[in-house]
Amino acid sequence: DAGVTQSPTHLIKTRGQQVTLRCSPISGHKSVSWYQQVLGQGPQFIFQYYEKEERGRGNFPDRFSARQFPNYSSELNVNALLLGDSALYLCASSFWEGSVNTEAFFGQGTRLTVV
Amino acid sequence: DAKTTQPNSMESNEEEPVHLPCNHSTISGTDYIHWYRQLPSQGPEYVIHGLTSNVNNRMASLAIAEDRKSSTLILHRATLRDAAVYYCILRVYNTDKLIFGTGTRLQVFP
Repeated sequence: DAGVTQSPTHLIKTRGQQVTLRCSPISGHKSVSWYQQVLGQGPQFIFQYYEKEERGRGNFPDRFSARQFPNYSSELNVNALLLGDSALYLCASSFWEGSVNTEAFFGQGTRLTVV
Repeated sequence: DAKTTQPNSMESNEEEPVHLPCNHSTISGTDYIHWYRQLPSQGPEYVIHGLTSNVNNRMASLAIAEDRKSSTLILHRATLRDAAVYYCILRVYNTDKLIFGTGTRLQVFP
């Protein structure tokens, strides 16, 4: 079975540009979350979407936005890129439906470099 | 959000047990304790989770202190494949949000 898939795997953008990252969850998973992992640190929560609605948001500026589609795939958009946005962006999916007992499955991530 | 504290790094020899500690003194009564690990160039991978009682699965055991302010992940026989960064995480009640700390980098020597 396919795991969580993210695209692209690597991306180089210039400061001020906009970027869209994509995530396909495991079949049957309705919850998708996004994390940012800066080199040497643990992942930081950005967003959670469930049934196409935002269910949680981390401490990130409004330049970060996301959405979830009817097939539960998701996109993360970052506008006006800064050098500090360079990071590994991870997508996770789960069977979460209000329970805290579900495990999250992570994709391999998208490595974004802003120059 | 409650936070966790872990040692930056630990070392072990192959085939030996490993005890990875985690402090979470501000844990709330509804927070679950989850452990994930991250191998180089990969996304985090679920290891185990628990609320109050000790837990065992095929990968590891989780020992939770009676006051829930600390926990220990136990790898019974470390292998080279267990070399990774191990994260102790508090799962926020009623959300799918994971709060990662800085993790413990485990080195396993042959």
